[in-house]
Amino acid sequence: QVQLQESGPGLVKPSETLSLTCTVSGGSISSYYWSWIRQPPGKGLEWIGYIYYSGSTNYNPSLKSRVTISVDTSKNQFSLKLSSVTAADTAVYYCAREGLTPYYYDSSGSDDAFDIWGQGTMVTVSS
Amino acid sequence: NFMLTQPHSVSESPGKTVTISCTGSSGSIASNYVQWYQQRPGSAPTTVIYEDNQRPSGVPDRFSGSIDSSSNSASLTISGLKTEDEADYYCQSYDSSNRRVFGGGTKLTVL
Repeated sequence: QVQLQESGPGLVKPSETLSLTCTVSGGSISSYYWSWIRQPPGKGLEWIGYIYYSGSTNYNPSLKSRVTISVDTSKNQFSLKLSSVTAADTAVYYCAREGLTPYYYDSSGSDDAFDIWGQGTMVTVSS
Repeated sequence: NFMLTQPHSVSESPGKTVTISCTGSSGSIASNYVQWYQQRPGSAPTTVIYEDNQRPSGVPDRFSGSIDSSSNSASLTISGLKTEDEADYYCQSYDSSNRRVFGGGTKLTVL
């Protein structure tokens, strides 16, 4: 079965760039939308952005100026970079796949539900 | 910006029925699908309702979803409450640019 695993530093200094990678195992990264979602301690879920396997992206407007999501289909991975981090970026970061339904979605958009999530990785922003 | 508003918390007794609302800030909530996720402490979310009212395989039929266009709201109803239903529930939909938007989450206590 398809599994997602987030990886990256658990501690990032203020003003630096947070970098995480999500590795897809047990299946192909092709033909799906892939998202990054975060959850500050004790708070709710916040969608950061998505990437389609072909490379098209869409970001949360509140984070857009600091976020870059990229994909490496040869490694079956997609990545998140969040620049100029502050303590407010401290959170559990999840990667997730949108693939609950059998419908095919092209690069113009998707309204499929998240069906597979990584276990999440805690990232703390602190000096 | 499009937002989804949920009650912060709800509580009900085992065996009873509870409904969690999710109200859209603008436009018609019926214009885009609403998904519902359950999150237990320390775990990633899982889908309990997709496409407004569809249940993924493995989700009991005690869970149901609906849309009320008159109040611009979606609702998640859980009947025959069990202690295992105690969790946080999040609605999620889309803005006009296909960006995903989560509600603030509702903590369900089954007491």
